[in-house]
Amino acid sequence: AQRVTQPEKLLSVFKGAPVELKCNYSYSGSPELFWYVQYSRQRLQLLLRHISRESIKGFTADLNKGETSFHLKKPFAQEEDSAMYYCALSGSSNYKLTFGKGTLLTVNP
Amino acid sequence: GAVVSQHPSRVICKSGTSVKIECRSLDFQATTMFWYRQFPKQSLMLMATSNEGSKATYEQGVEKDKFLINHASLTLSTLTVASAHPEDSSFYICSARGSIWADTQYFGPGTRLTVL
Repeated sequence: AQRVTQPEKLLSVFKGAPVELKCNYSYSGSPELFWYVQYSRQRLQLLLRHISRESIKGFTADLNKGETSFHLKKPFAQEEDSAMYYCALSGSSNYKLTFGKGTLLTVNP
Repeated sequence: GAVVSQHPSRVICKSGTSVKIECRSLDFQATTMFWYRQFPKQSLMLMATSNEGSKATYEQGVEKDKFLINHASLTLSTLTVASAHPEDSSFYICSARGSIWADTQYFGPGTRLTVL
C-alpha cells in the first residue's frame, strides 16, 4: 500500500528564514515522489519531482530511501511562498498519486 | 501549456438530481484522466482512473453506480454524480496526464458541488 505522511499541518516562518516541509512515505517498490503547491484560490500545480533533481522557485527536495523521506527545503523563505504544499507518491506503473494531508506554510513579513 | 479545465466551477442542486462535471485537456491529449474528491481542509482522495475508450477503474469504497465516469475522447472526461445527496457535497478535482512527462498530472481548477 502507498502512504504519504506530512506530519505538520501548519508551518509558520519569517521572511528570509529557512524552511523545511517534511514528507515521509511508505511504498514497497521504487516510488516517484512529487511536491505539489496550491496558492490561495488557485489550482494545484506541480512544484517539483524527484527524478528531475531540479530547483524550482528556490525549493529543492532530496529523496532519502534509507529514511523514506522527501523533505522540501528552501534556504530563504519569501512571503509569496505562503501556500498549501502537498507531497505525493506515484507507483512505478500505474501513475496513480497518493497525497499527504498537506502542510499550510505561512511566511510572515 | 498543459492546461486542464473543468466545467462548471460551481453547482448547486436539489437532492435526487444528477450532476455532470466535465474535464478537458485544452492543449494536449490526455492518455489518462483522474478524478479526486477533496473535503474541507483535507487532502485529495483519488476516486477513479479513466483511460480513453475503456472503463474507468474505481478506488476501493467508491460506488461506480453513483459516480459514473465517461472518457469519450483524448481531451474529455466526464463525471456524473447520479441521484446526488447532501453527503455527496464536496470539491471534485480532475487531473490529466499526457504522453510527454507521463508521470506528471496537470490539475483542473475543481468543481464545488453543493447538494441541498
